[in-house]
Amino acid sequence: GENVEQHPSTLSVQEGDSAVIKCTYSDSASNYFPWYKQELGKRPQLIIDIRSNVGEKKDQRIAVTLNKTAKHFSLHITETQPEDSAVYFCAASEYFSRNQFYFGTGTSLTVIP
Amino acid sequence: DSGVTQTPKHLITATGQRVTLRCSPRSGDLSVYWYQQSLDQGLQFLIQYYNGEERAKGNILERFSAQQFPDLHSELNLSSLELGDSALYFCASGTSDTDTQYFGPGTRLTVL
Repeated sequence: GENVEQHPSTLSVQEGDSAVIKCTYSDSASNYFPWYKQELGKRPQLIIDIRSNVGEKKDQRIAVTLNKTAKHFSLHITETQPEDSAVYFCAASEYFSRNQFYFGTGTSLTVIP
Repeated sequence: DSGVTQTPKHLITATGQRVTLRCSPRSGDLSVYWYQQSLDQGLQFLIQYYNGEERAKGNILERFSAQQFPDLHSELNLSSLELGDSALYFCASGTSDTDTQYFGPGTRLTVL
């Protein structure tokens, strides 16, 4: 089955700096890669996703890049703000085939004001 | 608000007991996924249903079972509860033509 690894497990940045979280996956058949943000005690919320036919996607201060050859994808947050502090999870899925999501172990991001 | 509802919000019970968690997917969504999140842990996929049928199974214990009803709501049954079953249980729903999962608010289960 798929194995998703996520690094780092914790990340502290100064407000205004950029944050990068990286994930690798093992199954080359995976074709959908969402990122979720989870604030303490709350539900995971989808913040951005990318499909395997696209190399990069951007939404305001958030961007995701995908390298299919190397089987890794990354979340980039620019101009970080204290409200970006949360746990971020990556996931990989081979949709239309198994439709099972494999989540990374999460990155706890702290933005220091 | 994702449109996915879960009840109850909190559940406190004793070891050896049995509980049922309920999930109503977003309107139009046919898939329901169940996840377990223990303290400081990631999301562990338990099981997925699609339009009433089991589609995929993850790390679900034999003491746990689930089903999806004709109205598409789903229930997760946890029996012979142990202290280690204390966790947040999330359900998520999705449509058949998109990969996106939308999570419910979760049920916090505490086993004493």
